[in-house]
Amino acid sequence: DTGVSQNPRHKITKRGQNVTFRCDPISEHNRLYWYRQTLGQGPEFLTYFQNEAQLEKSRLLSDRFSAERPKGSFSTLEIQRTEQGDSAMYLCASSLAKLAPRTGELFFGEGSRLTVL
Amino acid sequence: GNSVTQMEGPVTLSEEAFLTINCTYTATGYPSLFWYVQYPGEGLQLLLKATKADDKGSNKGFEATYRKETTSFHLEKGSVQVSDSAVYFCALRRGADIQGAQKLVFGQGTRLTINP
Repeated sequence: DTGVSQNPRHKITKRGQNVTFRCDPISEHNRLYWYRQTLGQGPEFLTYFQNEAQLEKSRLLSDRFSAERPKGSFSTLEIQRTEQGDSAMYLCASSLAKLAPRTGELFFGEGSRLTVL
Repeated sequence: GNSVTQMEGPVTLSEEAFLTINCTYTATGYPSLFWYVQYPGEGLQLLLKATKADDKGSNKGFEATYRKETTSFHLEKGSVQVSDSAVYFCALRRGADIQGAQKLVFGQGTRLTINP
């Protein structure tokens, strides 16, 4: 399977714990995005990388959230001191920068669902 | 700011019925418009897109026309099938983002169920 892969698919944690999600993009894609989707809503942009550089972060991304893409391949999204309001589906997407002006298409993974008790 | 509003769901239709899912947007400049679809157990995937006014996007029998005068991008299909059951998201990308981030602004999604 050469699509975007996310792990774990579902994480249940207690409030105050730290969690980390991993995303493996399509191998030749140099852009990687994180979105968050809460129940009944559409995805909301969190942050994106081009290669290993994190180029933009949304105001939704509080100080408890950190994302990395150390070698320009896979990415991790860590949430520290989780709160119940962090419960959501965390979506990863990837794309090729050179195609952005023409297609605008993002390739999404199936998401990692976080439940904070 | 930029926003997308979709018709409330869920929508339930019989097979071979005509489908319309309304989408309107608010944006500065000239956004690109998209419909993404999420089938059960799968990630979102691009269904169709339009990048300028009066463009018509089409795919798998679905169509949507970029109407700048009404700021709309309604999704239509003439004869739906059970396999079209999914959640449909309308989205925009700001014109200023053409070279930069593909920061999509999504509507809330419309769940469609087609009964045989």
